[in-house]
Amino acid sequence: DVKVTQSSRYLVKRTGEKVFLECVQDMDHENMFWYRQDPGLGLRLIYFSYDVKMKEKGDIPEGYSVSREKKERFSLILESASTNQTSMYLCASNVRGQYYGYTFGSGTRLTVV
Amino acid sequence: GDSVTQMEGPVTLSEEAFLTINCTYTATGYPSLFWYVQYPGEGLQLLLKATKADDKGSNKGFEATYRKETTSFHLEKGSVQVSDSAVYFCALSDSQAGTALIFGKGTTLSVSS
Repeated sequence: DVKVTQSSRYLVKRTGEKVFLECVQDMDHENMFWYRQDPGLGLRLIYFSYDVKMKEKGDIPEGYSVSREKKERFSLILESASTNQTSMYLCASNVRGQYYGYTFGSGTRLTVV
Repeated sequence: GDSVTQMEGPVTLSEEAFLTINCTYTATGYPSLFWYVQYPGEGLQLLLKATKADDKGSNKGFEATYRKETTSFHLEKGSVQVSDSAVYFCALSDSQAGTALIFGKGTTLSVSS
């Protein structure tokens, strides 16, 4: 079974900390995505990557950066965590040019205190 | 730009009731349409999809038909169960708009016995 694995299910971090959220997929997918999920707002795209070392901003990139050094791994970085970044973060991947085969990870619930 | 609008919840039903969750979309191209489900404490799972007009997606008793003339993809189930309690997201992907999935805000369904 194809899988997208997010390294942490729950995280609690302090304001101002640098936070790394990791996502690994085992499907050799070119595209990887980071979404943020908030009640009443649905899922909003933060960043996506269509190839190693390539990235594109999504709808809400402010306060975030990403890294994709290897095809299977896509990291979301909060340079200086703030309380308004408390949220559920979801990673997804799919094959380039295939607009239906998205696979999601189980999510990381981040609390910034 | 492309967007998805789905009915606001929460939707509260008794077991065996009929379910409809409305979803309409705006797209520049020819999108694929999806329903995702998120059970409490879990990530997103693909419930069903349709990739072209008049396609009907179905899974676990849920159905949705891609209606191009009304730009709609309403989710229906004839008889809901307590285990269907979850958050449901309508989404689209559109090669004209880019690679990422675009989500509605989600509808919470609560089914009581």
